[in-house]
Amino acid sequence: KAGVTQTPRYLIKTRGQQVTLSCSPISGHRSVSWYQQTPGQGLQFLFEYFSETQRNKGNFPGRFSGRQFSNSRSEMNVSTLELGDSALYLCASSLMGQGNTIYFGEGSWLTVV
Amino acid sequence: GEDVEQSLFLSVREGDSSVINCTYTDSSSTYLYWYKQEPGAGLQLLTYIFSNMDMKQDQRLTVLLNKKDKHLSLRIADTQTGDSAIYFCAERDQAGTALIFGKGTTLSVSS
Repeated sequence: KAGVTQTPRYLIKTRGQQVTLSCSPISGHRSVSWYQQTPGQGLQFLFEYFSETQRNKGNFPGRFSGRQFSNSRSEMNVSTLELGDSALYLCASSLMGQGNTIYFGEGSWLTVV
Repeated sequence: GEDVEQSLFLSVREGDSSVINCTYTDSSSTYLYWYKQEPGAGLQLLTYIFSNMDMKQDQRLTVLLNKKDKHLSLRIADTQTGDSAIYFCAERDQAGTALIFGKGTTLSVSS
C-alpha cells in the first residue's frame, strides 16, 4: 500500500508569490491534515479536512488555506509569501481523523527568498 | 492550553538502552504518539498508546504512560547508530483532529 505522497518535494519561491502544495493520502484514508515545521516554532498544526470539510484550523493567518477533493486528495495554498513561511510542510493522513494511526508524508520543503 | 514538553538532547552508547521522556497537559488525550524524524525526512510513526493503557511493547520499543503525572516515556532497547534521529512526542488536541507536538528530543548514538 502506498504511503502519503506529497508534491513537490522542494521548491523555491520569491516573497509575494503564492504556492500550492499537494498531498495524496493513503488509499482509503479520508482525513488529511497539514503541519508546518520550522526550527524556531517546531511542528505546528495548520488545518484538518475530512470528507472535503475543514474540521479544525490552527492559529495561522488567512494567507494559509487548504481544500480537500472528493478523492480525499488535498492541497494547501499560501498566498503573498513571506520569508518566515520558509519551512517543511508535512501532510498526514488517517482513516477517520480521530482514530489511532496517523501517517505522515516526506514533506514539501519551501524556501522563500 | 495544551502543551507537550520533552528534553532536547540525549546521548547514549551503542547497545545501551535509551529513555526519552515527555510530559503533556491535556488529561483528556485519548492517544499519545511517538514519531521519529531522520535528517531531511518526514515523520515516521513509531508507536502509540491509548490512554487507558499503562504500557505497550513493540519489539525494541517500550512505551510507559503515567496518567496521574501526565508523563510518557519511550524506551529503546539495544540502541543502534541507526536510531540516531529526532524523536517527537505528540498528543491529540481537545477536538481530537490535530496533534500537539513536543519540540523533539535529538538522540545521538555513538559506537
